[in-house]
Amino acid sequence: AQKVTQAQTEISVVEKEDVTLDCVYETRDTTYYLFWYKQPPSGELVFLIRRNSFDEQNEISGRYSWNFQKSTSSFNFTITASQVVDSAVYFCALSLTIRGGSNYKLTFGKGTLLTVNP
Amino acid sequence: NAGVTQTPKFRILKIGQSMTLQCAQDMNHNYMYWYRQDPGMGLKLIYYSVGAGITDKGEVPNGYNVSRSTTEDFPLRLELAAPSQTSVYFCASSYRANFPLNSPLHFGNGTRLTVT
Repeated sequence: AQKVTQAQTEISVVEKEDVTLDCVYETRDTTYYLFWYKQPPSGELVFLIRRNSFDEQNEISGRYSWNFQKSTSSFNFTITASQVVDSAVYFCALSLTIRGGSNYKLTFGKGTLLTVNP
Repeated sequence: NAGVTQTPKFRILKIGQSMTLQCAQDMNHNYMYWYRQDPGMGLKLIYYSVGAGITDKGEVPNGYNVSRSTTEDFPLRLELAAPSQTSVYFCASSYRANFPLNSPLHFGNGTRLTVT
């Protein structure tokens, strides 16, 4: 089976707390990409990061960091010192080849609603 | 660049009516997609296109049709609207470089459709 599981439906934190959003994926492909997208209350989807299956190096971008662990099929996202503006739905997604590898599609998790309270 | 533009932003349809959701991108992207987002369910792929004249079904294609006559446009057609099609629809595009798996999707702002 190929799927993405975001077990946390909703998370609520107080501003300045650190928060980790979990993402677990399943795939038989050896080559794939993982993504995180943010959907703020305004509704648009914003690309945050991509990571390929051969690169397990963690990445940090400002207050955001991502921990990719192939051994546990996880790609977790941590926000340090959260802010009210971080309130959004966050989606983890897996890019897979389809139809013999000539095309691909993005499979999304169900999303985690993060609420950061002042 | 405007990116991916979707129209309309909101629409209410009666059961059995038809409509077309418009999507246009000005980034010369090869790949275009239609997703629907239902509450708590993430995004499901309806149809996708890898280039002008080429379309294919995604996970939930029933009740929809698409066409891709140009690189820029990828309209989604609902022929006989049903309450189950009440959802938020997102169009997206991506550029096929040497390795399309790593191309992030660029999304439009969505169309909120209600069928009553």
